[in-house]
Amino acid sequence: DTEVTQTPKHLVMGMTNKKSLKCEQHMGHRAMYWYKQKAKKPPELMFVYSYEKLSINESVPSRFSPECPNSSLLNLHLHALQPEDSALYLCASSQVGTGVGTNEKLFFGSGTQLSVL
Amino acid sequence: QKEVEQNSGPLSVPEGAIASLNCTYSDRGSQSFFWYRQYSGKSPELIMSIYSNGDKEDGRFTAQLNKASQYVSLLIRDSQPSDSATYLCALKGNQAGTALIFGKGTTLSVSS
Repeated sequence: DTEVTQTPKHLVMGMTNKKSLKCEQHMGHRAMYWYKQKAKKPPELMFVYSYEKLSINESVPSRFSPECPNSSLLNLHLHALQPEDSALYLCASSQVGTGVGTNEKLFFGSGTQLSVL
Repeated sequence: QKEVEQNSGPLSVPEGAIASLNCTYSDRGSQSFFWYRQYSGKSPELIMSIYSNGDKEDGRFTAQLNKASQYVSLLIRDSQPSDSATYLCALKGNQAGTALIFGKGTTLSVSS
């Protein structure tokens, strides 16, 4: 069982809707991530929060808005999405390390399967 | 720009055989390497990590790393039908705050 919890597991929304994806971890990790994965493609990094400081993948459109209320919680706010945004959205967490070691490991939640109609 | 290359497959092996999955990368500064297994419709699951040259064994899995040649491989011994999945190679640089970069994955099919 994953220790990274994502809700909801499935979401269907229209292009005019506003919705939020939620993620929570209780492993004491100080880095949290949002990845997007299309079918038969690898996960693509969207956002990274490290010690609650945001790093953005500049190719991510502004209709995706991350929020990190504290080190255990990560949200992804969705607004005016397009059908091509339909994908599996994965939250992950890790320790923050400055070198090589076991704190580099990334743990994924079970994902939210999003369909935009 | 870090790049991670994998043969997309499918790689088909009979039950009980050894499956060999390979991955090459372009960034010599990469320090941490991971293999994730992903079943269809599920999230990636970490199965192996390796940080230094050589072999690392964990049960039926062996990861091999050769930094000079910039490749990392995963061997699965005594392959089982339940091993049928997509295997993602991932790497991370040695700077704090950098995220994993994933290869496109290799689909493995183990036939009974």
